[in-house]
Amino acid sequence: KQEVTQIPAALSVPEGENLVLNCSFTDSAIYNLQWFRQDPGKGLTSLLLIQSSQREQTSGRLNASLDKSSGRSTLYIAASQPGDSATYLCSLGGEEVHTGNQFYFGTGTSLTVIP
Amino acid sequence: DAGVIQSPRHEVTEMGQEVTLRCKPISGHNSLFWYRQTMMRGLELLIYFNNNVPIDDSGMPEDRFSAKMPNASFSTLKIQPSEPRDSAVYFCASSFGGHSGNTIYFGEGSWLTVV
Repeated sequence: KQEVTQIPAALSVPEGENLVLNCSFTDSAIYNLQWFRQDPGKGLTSLLLIQSSQREQTSGRLNASLDKSSGRSTLYIAASQPGDSATYLCSLGGEEVHTGNQFYFGTGTSLTVIP
Repeated sequence: DAGVIQSPRHEVTEMGQEVTLRCKPISGHNSLFWYRQTMMRGLELLIYFNNNVPIDDSGMPEDRFSAKMPNASFSTLKIQPSEPRDSAVYFCASSFGGHSGNTIYFGEGSWLTVV
């Protein structure tokens, strides 16, 4: 079974700093990897989706990379802002021989950006 | 698109009572997921359906939990009888099945408190 780990569990940085969130996984047989953001009291919002054949995706100040061989993904946030404060989760879309999908989630990194 | 719709958003119930959570997936999506989120255990997959058929219910904690998907636009998660340890946020999510890089969309969650 796929295991997904996110370290650190919590991170606090001053505004304007660039930062990296980490996600590691045990099974490289994946179809895709997604990074989500969760605000308190809210559901999960997809930020970036990387296909298994891709190495990275970018959206604005966010850049996500994928290295299947090492079982790692990083989410890079440039010039952090207080509005970036949230919990960030990564999810692996697993291979399925049956119909349907399976997604495996990490436990998340709680980010606080201090003004 | 209205997104994944869940109800109720918040529920407080007494131990022993039956709880029914409802979900309407995004139109056209053929995979539906029920997750439970707690501080201690993070996000746990309870069950997922593909084309209205339960594919994997190994995450359902015990017989007190049951889930149904009578049609493509509606699913329920029932807890009977409820216990205080069931207090959590329950998320419904949907996606379009297949392995071409689909993303998963979450509802806002149902916040359950059992007293």
